[in-house]
Amino acid sequence: KAGVTQTPRYLIKTRGQQVTLSCSPISGHRSVSWYQQTPGQGLQFLFEYFSETQRNKGNFPGRFSGRQFSNSRSEMNVSTLELGDSALYLCASSLGLAGSEAFFGQGTRLTVV
Amino acid sequence: AQSVTQPDIHITVSEGASLELRCNYSYGATPYLFWYVQSPGQGLQLLLKYFSGDTLVQGIKGFEAEFKRSQSSFNLRKPSVHWSDAAEYFCAVGSILTGGGNKLTFGTGTQLKVEL
Repeated sequence: KAGVTQTPRYLIKTRGQQVTLSCSPISGHRSVSWYQQTPGQGLQFLFEYFSETQRNKGNFPGRFSGRQFSNSRSEMNVSTLELGDSALYLCASSLGLAGSEAFFGQGTRLTVV
Repeated sequence: AQSVTQPDIHITVSEGASLELRCNYSYGATPYLFWYVQSPGQGLQLLLKYFSGDTLVQGIKGFEAEFKRSQSSFNLRKPSVHWSDAAEYFCAVGSILTGGGNKLTFGTGTQLKVEL
């Protein structure tokens, strides 16, 4: 059974640019959540998508957005990049039920210069 | 609001020694609790989870954790540490959100170093 796949693994972008990250969940999983991991703030919840709808959102500015496709694949977009957006972005896949286990991808390392 | 505290930022143990990583949580209802491990540059791997029932849960790689409601704790243990266990360990509480989904709130992590 294939795990969670995130692409690309590494990205370098310039301030002011935008970026799109991709996540393919485990087959049969309808929920995809995104987390940002930084040394200063740790792991923080960005948002969750379930059946193509954003079900929950964390406390991040509107520059962070996402979407989910009918095959459950999800993309996350960050517009007008800031230096502080440099982080490891992790995608988690689950069945989306209460207390479901979340399975994480290897992450996308975004560096903003 | 839910929160997770991992009081130990760094822990060093000798290979073969026992290990206990501490985790305290704050959550208004019965929590879903998880332990994850992260190797450098990698994602998070689930070690074990607690939903309900038996308060001592077994996980992968020989890890176990005990849920103690009275102490709001969910400490991770391993009887004999292997050099390959060196990594960062995260405790998390899963909360059910108004929208029907759930999210994980993580502790700040404990970096484990294993001395040979």
